[in-house]
Amino acid sequence: SSELTQDPTVSVALGQTVRITCQGDSLRNYYASWYQQKPGQAPVLVIYGKNNRPSGIPDRFSGSSSGNTASLTITGAQAEDEADYYCNSRDSSGNHRYVFGTGTKVTVL
Amino acid sequence: QVQLVQSGAEVKKPGASVKVSCKASGYTFTGYYIHWVQQAPGQGLEWMGWINPNSGGTTYAQKFQGRVTLTRDTSISTAYMELRGLRSDDTAVYYCARLVYFGPGTDVFDIWGQGTVVTISS
Repeated sequence: SSELTQDPTVSVALGQTVRITCQGDSLRNYYASWYQQKPGQAPVLVIYGKNNRPSGIPDRFSGSSSGNTASLTITGAQAEDEADYYCNSRDSSGNHRYVFGTGTKVTVL
Repeated sequence: QVQLVQSGAEVKKPGASVKVSCKASGYTFTGYYIHWVQQAPGQGLEWMGWINPNSGGTTYAQKFQGRVTLTRDTSISTAYMELRGLRSDDTAVYYCARLVYFGPGTDVFDIWGQGTVVTISS
């Protein structure tokens, strides 16, 4: 089965920019979707596809992809962006299974 | 509005089974696959499997194959996740989520249930 690897923790100063990466073979064939999860809450979709934001997600969130790596960028991070972030895509096995990334804890300083 | 509402917290003994429900509203239940995700305390998200509410077809993650069964009742727009042979490491929050296709290679979990806490304790 596939794996999606993320850095465990990243920190960013208030108002600065942070990029979170997600690496895995499946990303050569499938786009990653990104989910924000705050303590005690269900995950929330923030970015999907090439670079799409659901309604209600601030435009400081953006996504990109190259080769086997997908990235989520927060431009001008706010205190409320402090959360865990997970990427997700289909498994590269072709069996219609899915895989989540290992997760990144973003701390806003 | 579009939402998934899950059943309440459960406490089970080792070796028992648990069945969690996920009731859909605000959209056509049979039009979207429902997926299930496990999150152990302090850990990340782990994909468990999906059910096609229209056909009842399922696919499971290898980790849970043989212990999990996904079913649905279209008459009440509800999906179920049953996990058998419970052990301490099954203590977790279980989420259901709706999958939407936005195009080739773009599969997205756009709506999530609130989560159901399952605690395994003797």
